[in-house]
Formats: sequence, structure tokens, C-alpha cells
Amino acid sequence: AQKVTQAQTEISVVEKEDVTLDCVYETRDTTYYLFWYKQPPSGELVFLIRRNSFDEQNEISGRYSWNFQKSTSSFNFTITASQVVDSAVYFCALSGDAIQGAQKLVFGQGTRLTINP
Amino acid sequence: DTGVSQDPRHKITKRGQNVTFRCDPISEHNRLYWYRQTLGQGPEFLTYFQNEAQLEKSRLLSDRFSAERPKGSFSTLEIQRTEQGDSAMYLCASSLARVSDTQYFGPGTRLTVL
Repeated sequence: AQKVTQAQTEISVVEKEDVTLDCVYETRDTTYYLFWYKQPPSGELVFLIRRNSFDEQNEISGRYSWNFQKSTSSFNFTITASQVVDSAVYFCALSGDAIQGAQKLVFGQGTRLTINP
Repeated sequence: DTGVSQDPRHKITKRGQNVTFRCDPISEHNRLYWYRQTLGQGPEFLTYFQNEAQLEKSRLLSDRFSAERPKGSFSTLEIQRTEQGDSAMYLCASSLARVSDTQYFGPGTRLTVL
């Protein structure tokens, strides 16, 4: 069975601090995909990134960066120089190989991030 | 390019009543998913369609729940004889049916059962 664990329930930092959100996953699939979504107070899940299991390169997009390590089954998300607008609940998710029909997303419990001015 | 839309955004009903939610996916997307999210939890998969075919249902989807996607366009999720435990956010997402294309979510329908 697939499982995603986000051990940090809540994080609170002061604006401009860097913050890392942890994600650990479990799967027996050799091909799988990892995602991060942001859920602001409005409730809509906003897609941030997708990573496949064969691509372990880290990715940077502006103030956001992602560190994928298969050896530790982790896919961590770092926000550099955080801003108040980054306040939201962040979800890590996992899906299997679409060809096998296992497209459903398995989500972690989420990390509530609060950026204080 | 319009995103996924859901209607209504909020629904308050009394226990025992039937409710129906609608989801309109992104126009070129042929896969459509329903998830349920309770307070403080991540979304949980309920069911998905490829075109008009319902390909998978979670065990969370009791016999009081039914979903349809006629003609492979919009989808409806009906809950019969609602219970207080059905109170949750119901999320719809859509994607293209190729190797793990990304699921894009709608704003959700928040259901409160009194």
C-alpha cells in the first residue's frame, strides 16, 4: 500500500526566514510520481510540482526548491525568504504508474505553515 | 483556459436528505476524480472516470454514494440519506489520461449535514 507521511503538523516562522516542509513516502511501485500542492484559506488545491521516480534532480522555482532522495524516500520542500502570502496548508502526494491505472493520489495529512510579519 | 469548476460551493442539509454536486472539468481533460477532505486531513480518493467509464471506486464510497459522468463531460456526485459523518469538503480534479499527467483541482463543495 502507498503511504505519505508529513510529520510536521504546524510550522510558524517569521517573514524572510527559510522553512523546510518534510515528506516521507512508502510505495512498492518502481515507477511512481510525487507532488506538492498548496491549499490557501480559500480551500482550492493549487498544484506546485510533479516529480517522477526516475528523476532525482533537485528543482528550483523562484523561492521554492524541492529535494528528492530515493535513498531516504523523501521529497522535501523548501521556501526561501518566506512571505506572508506563503501561509497555507501544504500537501505532499504520491501516485503510481498511470499505465497500470493507479492514478489516484495518496495525500499526506498536510503541514499548516504560518508566516508571521 | 478555464479551470475545474464545482457547484454549489456550499451546501447545508438536514440528515436524511439527498444532495447532488456537480463538477465541470477542464475541457480537454478526459479523466475526472472525486476526493473527500475532512477537517485537518488530506484529501482521500473516492472514485475516478476515464471519459464516461467509472474505473475505480474506493471502499469509502458506500452504497449511499453514486457518481456519474454522462457523455464524458461533467460529473455528478449524489449522496442519498445523508448522515452527519458525510460533512466534508468534496473535491473534484481532472487530468489527461497519459503517464501521470497532473490533476488540477476545483474549489470544492463544502457539505454540512445538520
